[in-house]
Amino acid sequence: QKEVEQDPGPLSVPEGAIVSLNCTYSNSAFQYFMWYRQYSRKGPELLMYTYSSGNKEDGRFTAQVDKSSKYISLFIRDSQPSDSATYLCAMSARLTGGGNKLTFGTGTQLKVEL
Amino acid sequence: DSGVTQTPKHLITATGQRVTLRCSPRSGDLSVYWYQQSLDQGLQFLIQYYNGEERAKGNILERFSAQQFPDLHSELNLSSLELGDSALYFCASSVWTADTQYFGPGTRLTVL
Repeated sequence: QKEVEQDPGPLSVPEGAIVSLNCTYSNSAFQYFMWYRQYSRKGPELLMYTYSSGNKEDGRFTAQVDKSSKYISLFIRDSQPSDSATYLCAMSARLTGGGNKLTFGTGTQLKVEL
Repeated sequence: DSGVTQTPKHLITATGQRVTLRCSPRSGDLSVYWYQQSLDQGLQFLIQYYNGEERAKGNILERFSAQQFPDLHSELNLSSLELGDSALYFCASSVWTADTQYFGPGTRLTVL
């Protein structure tokens, strides 16, 4: 079983729709939760970062974390064609020796159509 | 633009060869991370350096090695290359070791 599970999609929605992207995880040591957006063959771009259960909003994006259920979500309101990309959830836990690494989901491919 | 730079953008080489990928972190960042992204494995953590010292190791093959220099740039060395090493290699950086990571544009490696 993978530490982080993410529905690969593809997900196709009309412009203006609300998009819900989700990940589940199994490692209770994960403390920090992130969402990255990746356009085709480009570097992942950090969208949202949170470390506690609850909601965090930034413009059209809302990140939600439920540590008790080991479930995180990203909501995109008023979706635009420019939001078409692959969305990756990522989680991290402090390692012994003070190191850190991100564990990624496989990514959900989103297409927003006119 | 994240501020992380990587060179080269593309690299085409043959099996058995050795290549070096270079990364310059964002100004002020002390940690550098290397990740490999392939179609079947997704984004996989390889190794982390913090201020010149190795801090964490992931699924990095023995044929691969990395280092971080005093000016904080990092190099990832890949040797005895195999077809399966073809992938996108990303470098990321952060200020400290537990901070959010910012990714570079990647190096696309093709092994023929």
